[in-house]
Amino acid sequence: GAVVSQHPSWVICKSGTSVKIECRSLDFQATTMFWYRQFPKQSLMLMATSNEGSKATYEQGVEKDKFLINHASLTLSTLTVTSAHPEDSSFYICSATDREAKDTQYFGPGTRLTVL
Amino acid sequence: GDSVTQMEGPVTLSEEAFLTINCTYTATGYPSLFWYVQYPGEGLQLLLKATKADDKGSNKGFEATYRKETTSFHLEKGSVQVSDSAVYFCALSVEETSGSRLTFGEGTQLTVNP
Repeated sequence: GAVVSQHPSWVICKSGTSVKIECRSLDFQATTMFWYRQFPKQSLMLMATSNEGSKATYEQGVEKDKFLINHASLTLSTLTVTSAHPEDSSFYICSATDREAKDTQYFGPGTRLTVL
Repeated sequence: GDSVTQMEGPVTLSEEAFLTINCTYTATGYPSLFWYVQYPGEGLQLLLKATKADDKGSNKGFEATYRKETTSFHLEKGSVQVSDSAVYFCALSVEETSGSRLTFGEGTQLTVNP
């Protein structure tokens, strides 16, 4: 149980385009979803927290207009990187909490974004 | 604020060796403690957790005990395998102050050689 999927697993795009990444909880209802960014050989950096049906809460220094997060249902959250640039290239990971075990996050497999 | 400090890596061991990865924490309130593992090119997988003092989390031969007196949650395994090669993250969450938000350590790279 507690499986989280992400799509796509990797994406390559041109500078200036927008990219959408989906995060789905497959076998549970996710009360809260989190989006992280991870640079090579580093820990995870929390970008934002989203609750179903409400606006995401962004961490300090994360541009909300650049990283659009939508949490439209209890099983789906999306992260859209708008007008992507090479410095946005990174590994993006989502996670979700189950309403039955709010202290435990279950992570997706990650999405590798490369902006040319 | 809350913080997690992990033993610096990388750690390189031979197969069947004993593993310890140290983790200490500071937290307001009563944290839950976690170990996550990340295999190359993948997301994080929950390895084990403990939610109160003296609890022992265990999974796949790994163990960690929540030690409130030393604010530690060291990860141990008696006999490592090549397949255990990965990055290990210690983390905490304090639900009453920050909900399910996780505070991560820096991660420890483990390489097990045959």
